[in-house]
Amino acid sequence: AQSVTQLGSHVSVSEGALVLLRCNYSSSVPPYLFWYVQYPNQGLQLLLKYTSAATLVKGINGFEAEFKKSETSFHLTKPSAHMSDAAEYFCAVSGMNSGGYQKVTFGIGTKLQVIP
Amino acid sequence: DSGVTQTPKHLITATGQRVTLRCSPRSGDLSVYWYQQSLDQGLQFLIQYYNGEERAKGNILERFSAQQFPDLHSELNLSSLELGDSALYFCASSGLTGVITGELFFGEGSRLTVL
Repeated sequence: AQSVTQLGSHVSVSEGALVLLRCNYSSSVPPYLFWYVQYPNQGLQLLLKYTSAATLVKGINGFEAEFKKSETSFHLTKPSAHMSDAAEYFCAVSGMNSGGYQKVTFGIGTKLQVIP
Repeated sequence: DSGVTQTPKHLITATGQRVTLRCSPRSGDLSVYWYQQSLDQGLQFLIQYYNGEERAKGNILERFSAQQFPDLHSELNLSSLELGDSALYFCASSGLTGVITGELFFGEGSRLTVL
């Protein structure tokens, strides 16, 4: 069975500071990994994805994530936080299930607060 | 704009009632997924359809049902509503790439309030 653990349901950073949102996954097959962002009163939007190409993945709005197989991690980072980054961030893992279909499992989400 | 359309955006109803949520996937996407998002449960997978057929089931209650029609739009039916069913219900769709990788495109959700 696959699972995702997001460490910290709430993270606060100062504007201009480094953003680090942690995600660890468990999967019995080579996974596909995603970060989605949800702004207030909106749906989830894909931020970036790892699909077994480069281990360092760059996404929209200056975010990037690094796939580390040995640590089973896919942490999300951004060098300098902006007020507009305040949102909820979801890590997700996708893998083939026993029925031969892709199953997507989401983490509980991390709410990012940016302090001016 | 993800291209996934959900209606209604907001719905207020009473316990015991029945509601239908509608989703139109992105043009060309054959797969539709339904998720429930609540404060205490997070984002929970309910059910997936592919080209009209049920493909996977998650934590969907027996009071809930869904279907995907020949034009690929999908409906989620919630009956005998309880207070605890109050949540955001998201529809997502995926195309050929998504079938391989699991990448999803989400609608803006339908917020259901049961009073």
